[in-house]
Amino acid sequence: NAGVMQNPRHLVRRRGQEARLRCSPMKGHSHVYWYRQLPEEGLKFMVYLQKENIIDESGMPKERFSAEFPKEGPSILRIQQVVRGDSAAYFCASSPGGIRSYEQYFGPGTRLTVT
Amino acid sequence: GESVGLHLPTLSVQEGDNSIINCAYSNSASDYFIWYKQESGKGPQFIIDIRSNMDKRQGQRVTVLLNKTVKHLSLQIAATQPGDSAVYFCAENIQGAQKLVFGQGTRLTINP
Repeated sequence: NAGVMQNPRHLVRRRGQEARLRCSPMKGHSHVYWYRQLPEEGLKFMVYLQKENIIDESGMPKERFSAEFPKEGPSILRIQQVVRGDSAAYFCASSPGGIRSYEQYFGPGTRLTVT
Repeated sequence: GESVGLHLPTLSVQEGDNSIINCAYSNSASDYFIWYKQESGKGPQFIIDIRSNMDKRQGQRVTVLLNKTVKHLSLQIAATQPGDSAVYFCAENIQGAQKLVFGQGTRLTINP
């Protein structure tokens, strides 16, 4: 299956710990997007990355959150010093980019629970 | 019928009936609109999309209608089946921004 892969699927962290969420895009896709979803709400855009570049991080909180998409390996969304309000489902999507950037295919998500 | 609950609006339909899910969007600069289906515990699954220069597009059992005058999008599902139970989101791609803006979502439940 060449779909978007995310791991872990579930992550539990205590307040103050760090959370690392990984995303491997679909084969052939070099554009990655991260979204956050709170219960009973729609997805909210966080960040858009291409290999080694952050293109748009307008949806990222200014502190504690960072994202990267290295030349080799998966994209990483990192949350430092987690707080209870960070509990949510985090989805990664990938697209071919360019004029087909709207074709975003989503992974199964990582459900982060902060205790 | 359609009702607004505490959170997501809910649409309940009888199995075999047609479902119509509505969405209002806000940005006139959006060039593509996409409907996603999200089942419990899963990621959004692409259903159908429509370009802003079209007003109707049909897929297998689904039809999307776009009314740019009133900024309204709808998803019609023919002969609704139990497997159609999910939350449905519309999303708009803002031209040049390369990110999707999602609507609130509608929970579709199927009555046997």
